[in-house]
Amino acid sequence: SQQGEEDPQALSIQEGENATMNCSYKTSINNLQWYRQNSGRGLVHLILIRSNEREKHSGRLRVTLDTSKKSSSLLITASRAADTASYFCARSTTSGTYKYIFGTGTRLKVLA
Amino acid sequence: DTEVTQTPKHLVMGMTNKKSLKCEQHMGHRAMYWYKQKAKKPPELMFVYSYEKLSINESVPSRFSPECPNSSLLNLHLHALQPEDSALYLCASSQGASSGLAKNIQYFGAGTRLSVL
Repeated sequence: SQQGEEDPQALSIQEGENATMNCSYKTSINNLQWYRQNSGRGLVHLILIRSNEREKHSGRLRVTLDTSKKSSSLLITASRAADTASYFCARSTTSGTYKYIFGTGTRLKVLA
Repeated sequence: DTEVTQTPKHLVMGMTNKKSLKCEQHMGHRAMYWYKQKAKKPPELMFVYSYEKLSINESVPSRFSPECPNSSLLNLHLHALQPEDSALYLCASSQGASSGLAKNIQYFGAGTRLSVL
């Protein structure tokens, strides 16, 4: 399968704690993105990191990328109940097409 | 306006029916996508249109027929579907025109939840 693997598959934390989810892939990437999906709804873009970048921040989100290990992580700090959602990484290959391959996703539940 | 609008929100159809899903965006995006998503699974790419031309077909069965009448509209025509085709169908768009990576950011609609009986 070309899908990236994400772990954990599911994560349950208390409000205020940090949540970390990981994405691994097998082939070279052009860029990697993270998306959030609330239950049964459309996906919302969170952050894009280029293959030559190692870390990016956006508000309470921090994304790292390690191309040597072919992995990325998404950290959500000071989580809130509203962060409860599924999180997917999506990678674009170096071929320059519009093809995006989504990882298996992490279902995050933040308990109030 | 960063909205992608999908209609209908829900659709129930029999295996002999013909129906269509509609997607609309007014962001001037030149790339539009159809994805299929089963419960607790990631979205799977079906089709990509770039500048109103089909650029990617991920070996989707012919009972799914995409159409891009203009740069703002994307349709998915359904015919003789199977119960296993029941899923959430997501439409997305991206700039697709400018240089730089902003063109890669996809904006998704809320989806059409399809049930095939």
